[in-house]
Amino acid sequence: QKEVEQNSGPLSVPEGAIASLNCTYSDRGSQSFFWYRQYSGKSPELIMFIYSNGDKEDGRFTAQLNKASQYVSLLIRDSQPSDSATYLCASPNQAGTALIFGKGTTLSVSS
Amino acid sequence: DGGITQSPKYLFRKEGQNVTLSCEQNLNHDAMYWYRQDPGQGLRLIYYSQIVNDFQKGDIAEGYSVSREKKESFPLTVTSAQKNPTAFYLCASSETGTMTTGELFFGEGSRLTVL
Repeated sequence: QKEVEQNSGPLSVPEGAIASLNCTYSDRGSQSFFWYRQYSGKSPELIMFIYSNGDKEDGRFTAQLNKASQYVSLLIRDSQPSDSATYLCASPNQAGTALIFGKGTTLSVSS
Repeated sequence: DGGITQSPKYLFRKEGQNVTLSCEQNLNHDAMYWYRQDPGQGLRLIYYSQIVNDFQKGDIAEGYSVSREKKESFPLTVTSAQKNPTAFYLCASSETGTMTTGELFFGEGSRLTVL
């Protein structure tokens, strides 16, 4: 059974700092990873998708995938209070037909 | 506007009662999913359907049932056999059933409380 693990946090950073969120996975064959952001009481929304080894940047967000070490991370530069949310890491299941989610990491950005 | 509509948003149920959560999408997506979320937990997969009249069990299907008679609709029934049904239920869809590069679009969720 594929598993995706995250530290539940909370992770607290001051406004303007870099927030680093990490996710490890059990299946060495996993190819793609998704980062979803979920505000309290709301549904998740996709913020990043990474497929290949290395970094992918989108505005203040950078996703990093290290297949050798089986971890994927999300960096948020210049963190804002509006970034305070739970960040969920996800990867396709064995059949590639659904997403398996980690438990999420709660980020708190203080002004 | 295209999207996923879940209803009701809040639902209270007495123990021993079945309840059905509605999920409708007008995105013309092939695949639909039901996830359950408990406090401090991620999303756990209940059932999913990649095509009309076909669906598969997820990791926590016991005590739940679904149907997929129309492409746009994927209702979830929480039966009395579900021992701990109080949770936040999320319906999602994807354009195809292949998640290697696919994106899930979520509805706003239904919060079920058993009294």
